[in-house]
Amino acid sequence: GAVVSQHPSWVICKSGTSVKIECRSLDFQATTMFWYRQFPKQSLMLMATSNEGSKATYEQGVEKDKFLINHASLTLSTLTVTSAHPEDSSFYICSARWFRDRSGGYTFGSGTRLTVV
Amino acid sequence: DAKTTQPTSMDCAEGRAANLPCNHSTISGNEYVYWYRQIHSQGPQYIIHGLKNNETNEMASLIITEDRKSSTLILPHATLRDTAVYYCIVNPGAGSYQLTFGKGTKLSVIP
Repeated sequence: GAVVSQHPSWVICKSGTSVKIECRSLDFQATTMFWYRQFPKQSLMLMATSNEGSKATYEQGVEKDKFLINHASLTLSTLTVTSAHPEDSSFYICSARWFRDRSGGYTFGSGTRLTVV
Repeated sequence: DAKTTQPTSMDCAEGRAANLPCNHSTISGNEYVYWYRQIHSQGPQYIIHGLKNNETNEMASLIITEDRKSSTLILPHATLRDTAVYYCIVNPGAGSYQLTFGKGTKLSVIP
């Protein structure tokens, strides 16, 4: 089945530094990837949609200059949290759609737990 | 995406069938019903999806009513490892549509 590999699984960084999260599709090409954020005891909230070779589309309220998304190849998308602050501490999850047929499914990475201290 | 309504939580005895309901009364004709689950601190896991016919795979069965306004996910023999939050999502399933997650149902499998 389709596998999305997300790294790192967890990261602790100091306030003001930047953190990069990678999401790779291992056995398929992902034209589109999605980035979600999940705060404790809450559901997943879509942050942005990243399309290979073009600029990402951000959801309302998500700062594009703070959450930099790069999707330079069909198998890799990255999310960089710039100048991180404690309020950015969250669980970040990427997702990609795999086209087995018209309906297909969406496969998710294992998530990255970011803690900003 | 059409909105879905799910119970906040459910309990199920280990070894018994778990039946998780979902209402999606405003679903459009071209929208699929997807089910995902999320075990604590992991990414969501795909379970099953369907358009109008009932579906079964190695994990679960999906029963969709004839009017498509509701569906039920069935885990035939629940185990402790099935304890998770289960999300019912409707989505066109084509193009670049993102999945929109609601609050889901917290299923607790009891020994």
